Amino acid sequence: GQQLNQSPQSMFIQEGEDVSMNCTSSSIFNTWLWYKQDPGEGPVLLIALYKAGELTSNGRLTAQFGITRKDSFLNISASIPSDVGIYFCAGQTNTGTASKLTFGTGTRLQVTL
Amino acid sequence: DAGITQSPRHKVTETGTPVTLRCHQTENHRYMYWYRQDPGHGLRLIHYSYGVKDTDKGEVSDGYSVSRSKTEDFLLTLESATSSQTSVYFCAISGLQGGGEYFGAGTRLSVL
Repeated sequence: GQQLNQSPQSMFIQEGEDVSMNCTSSSIFNTWLWYKQDPGEGPVLLIALYKAGELTSNGRLTAQFGITRKDSFLNISASIPSDVGIYFCAGQTNTGTASKLTFGTGTRLQVTL
Repeated sequence: DAGITQSPRHKVTETGTPVTLRCHQTENHRYMYWYRQDPGHGLRLIHYSYGVKDTDKGEVSDGYSVSRSKTEDFLLTLESATSSQTSVYFCAISGLQGGGEYFGAGTRLSVL
């Protein structure tokens, strides 16, 4: 099945640093979504992007929907320890009956004090 | 949590036994989904529902069946569990086609 290329796979950063991760695909998506998953829990929706070129912020998080509709990036500014977790991108396509998500393989973020 | 309850949260079973996982939502959302999450594969769609009694297959549907007799409940059944079905299973819901999906806390299934 189709997968999204998400990078980096993992990163260690110091508290206060900015973080950037991105997702690319060979296919066009109608919507891009970014999720965060903590250990033992389900993914939590952080940001949804609906238009090519759209730039959306949610607190310290900023995400953009690429112009080509085949990529997206997520930035986290001034990281804090609770930002630790796995971040997933997901591209959404609409079928005749429902929409379907294709997920990236995740970026594991670890923040050191 | 977005009003989604998965049960059980953990289950250990033997190869060849039937297993049913339940997803219950209190949001009255139309769309419900079952995913499995495995290392190296991320989240993959098993089946989804777009209304009561309306379901369709996802990317990895072999060996799984689903049923939705009420808006609030979506059941995933493994007719005869195999070790390859050891995984973490997530249910998700969405109110709009094209809107974001909201996930439950997951069920960890081990098939021995």
